[in-house]
Amino acid sequence: NAGVTQTPKFRVLKTGQSMTLLCAQDMNHEYMYWYRQDPGMGLRLIHYSVGEGTTAKGEVPDGYNVSRLKKQNFLLGLESAAPSQTSVYFCASWGRMNTEAFFGQGTRLTVV
Amino acid sequence: AQSVTQLDSQVPVFEEAPVELRCNYSSSVSVYLFWYVQYPNQGLQLLLKYLSGSTLVKGINGFEAEFNKSQTSFHLRKPSVHISDTAEYFCAVISTQGGSEKLVFGKGTKLTVNP
Repeated sequence: NAGVTQTPKFRVLKTGQSMTLLCAQDMNHEYMYWYRQDPGMGLRLIHYSVGEGTTAKGEVPDGYNVSRLKKQNFLLGLESAAPSQTSVYFCASWGRMNTEAFFGQGTRLTVV
Repeated sequence: AQSVTQLDSQVPVFEEAPVELRCNYSSSVSVYLFWYVQYPNQGLQLLLKYLSGSTLVKGINGFEAEFNKSQTSFHLRKPSVHISDTAEYFCAVISTQGGSEKLVFGKGTKLTVNP
């Protein structure tokens, strides 16, 4: 989807390592979201942001932190990765004047 | 808090048969409703959306959905499916109450179209 870019696309971490996933959007959207997708669980909301400088917890926030210092970027951090965090992560953005959310292409993270 | 329930985790059908994928939502405020499709190892693609107006919404690939406010449902239908419709389908809702627009997804329905 044009407009929302996630980096990296793939990553393998060792248990206990830290990393940051970046979501960048160039559509001036107010809202941004981080999800994880696991088989049979759908997309579960980790954290979201309703504007620059604001963040809020979703359904499964434990083990993750986020920051939105700039409107266009929404960072997802894992301070001490665990195998249970092995998943595919999707970022999305939404603007009040838009009629659909736009998604990034996903990040496949494996924690060994 | 809003939530989405997709009543069937897997739906097997034969090619050219009709299909209905069920979705119920819970929200006490106005909502926008969406259906997304995900093909294997790919991202999410918007099939259709309900924002307001006509309760029957037509989307891409011959899919349509009907918004039923009294039953809080947004079921997805296609009159005749193809092998290429095999994918996972997600229903999603976002409330339009100002200040807390959370986009929440159901657990998905895997549609398998058999020859």
